[in-house]
Amino acid sequence: DTEVTQTPKHLVMGMTNKKSLKCEQHMGHRAMYWYKQKAKKPPELMFVYSYEKLSINESVPSRFSPECPNSSLLNLHLHALQPEDSALYLCASSQVPSGGTYEQYFGPGTRLTVT
Amino acid sequence: AQTVTQSQPEMSVQEAETVTLSCTYDTSESNYYLFWYKQPPSRQMILVIRQEAYKQQNATENRFSVNFQKAAKSFSLKISDSQLGDTAMYFCAFRRYNTDKLIFGTGTRLQVFP
Repeated sequence: DTEVTQTPKHLVMGMTNKKSLKCEQHMGHRAMYWYKQKAKKPPELMFVYSYEKLSINESVPSRFSPECPNSSLLNLHLHALQPEDSALYLCASSQVPSGGTYEQYFGPGTRLTVT
Repeated sequence: AQTVTQSQPEMSVQEAETVTLSCTYDTSESNYYLFWYKQPPSRQMILVIRQEAYKQQNATENRFSVNFQKAAKSFSLKISDSQLGDTAMYFCAFRRYNTDKLIFGTGTRLQVFP
């Protein structure tokens, strides 16, 4: 099963709301990633978890808070977002961190709209 | 810092024909990996093909092949016998050896016409 799932598919939230995005994989992968993708742009890396520990934070604002409760699950907690944070949020996983040509498997994304 | 450049924002090709998408990159590293990812409209991104920089042989996956020119820092993707399902955004990506960060190019939107 080479699948990364993400919920919800769509999310609309106000600037004062708190919400969470969820990502799950059951491939035994030990690296998980959050990307942000604006329309007609490439994905931009936000966070990397290696063996359930945060290994990369690409200077993301603190209103985005990642969490990796276990090796299969990755969350992104959202609070006090701005309209410019509206984007497609992609989760990905890879067999091992920094692992050679191991590919990153991407989920379908959560399309977030901040009103 | 590494950069990846895709100079063709849009390309089109007729079904069954061959098309080549361009990608150049800039790095001072000698060990790295290169990838082509495909993102169909409203569908998830999938890996098309990958290349290790230390391998001189160009990677091939069925109808997809690359022309990897390390000295020129060029990594083009050739799609043979194009199919309607090849319609997608194609991203070239670079990753340094022993790191997690994928650096993407700006993408090329490919339209395959019947």
